[in-house]
Amino acid sequence: SAVISQKPSRDICQRGTSLTIQCQVDSQVTMMFWYRQQPGQSLTLIATANQGSEATYESGFVIDKFPISRPNLTFSTLTVSNMSPEDSSIYLCSVPQGTEAFFGQGTRLTVV
Amino acid sequence: AQSVTQLDSQVPVFEEAPVELRCNYSSSVSVYLFWYVQYPNQGLQLLLKYLSGSTLVESINGFEAEFNKSQTSFHLRKPSVHISDTAEYFCAVSTDSSYKLIFGSGTRLLVRP
Repeated sequence: SAVISQKPSRDICQRGTSLTIQCQVDSQVTMMFWYRQQPGQSLTLIATANQGSEATYESGFVIDKFPISRPNLTFSTLTVSNMSPEDSSIYLCSVPQGTEAFFGQGTRLTVV
Repeated sequence: AQSVTQLDSQVPVFEEAPVELRCNYSSSVSVYLFWYVQYPNQGLQLLLKYLSGSTLVESINGFEAEFNKSQTSFHLRKPSVHISDTAEYFCAVSTDSSYKLIFGSGTRLLVRP
C-alpha cells in the first residue's frame, strides 16, 4: 500500500495569506488527487495533479485560488491562496494504487 | 454525472446491535463502489470495495456490503457493532480505474454501551 505524508498536519493562518500543503508518496504514481473536507461535510475533489502538465480542476475550483504543482511522480503541492475563513477545511491528497485509493492524514487549516 | 446519497447523517445504536448504513448512487455507466471509514481525528481508511464479481463484499472487521445494481445501492451492514466502530462512514463511487472518487455526505455511526 502507498504511504502518503502530508505537511503541515495543521495550521492556523491569517485571512489574506496563502498556505502551501505538501504531499509526498513513497512510490511513483501517475495521478494524485487533492480533496477538501469542509467542517461537518464530505470530501469534494478539488483537482487532479498531473505530472508534466497543468492540473485538472473540478467545477467550482480555479487555478488562481488553488494552484497545484507536480514536479515529479512522488510529490505534489496544493496552495490555498488569499485565504478567507470559508477556506477552513481539511485538505487531503490521495493516490490510486492497485485497486484502491489511499489518502494522506490531511492538513487541518483554520483561517482567522 | 454521478452522485452518491447517504440518507442517514447519524445512526445511533447500542453495542452488539446490528446496523445498516445506507448508500445509493446514481450513474449512467458502470461504477466501482467503496466504503471508507474515518475514526475520530484520523485519516480515511478503506473499509471495503466492490469492483466486479461477487456482489457481496466483506471487510476484515465484520462489515459487509452488497452491491445491488437494480436498486443502485451499496448498503453497509454489521450484525453486531462494537464501541470501537464509532466513526464516520463514507460511501464513494468511481467510474473508472483512476479511482477519482465521488463521496456521499457521510454517516456518523455512534455506538453506545
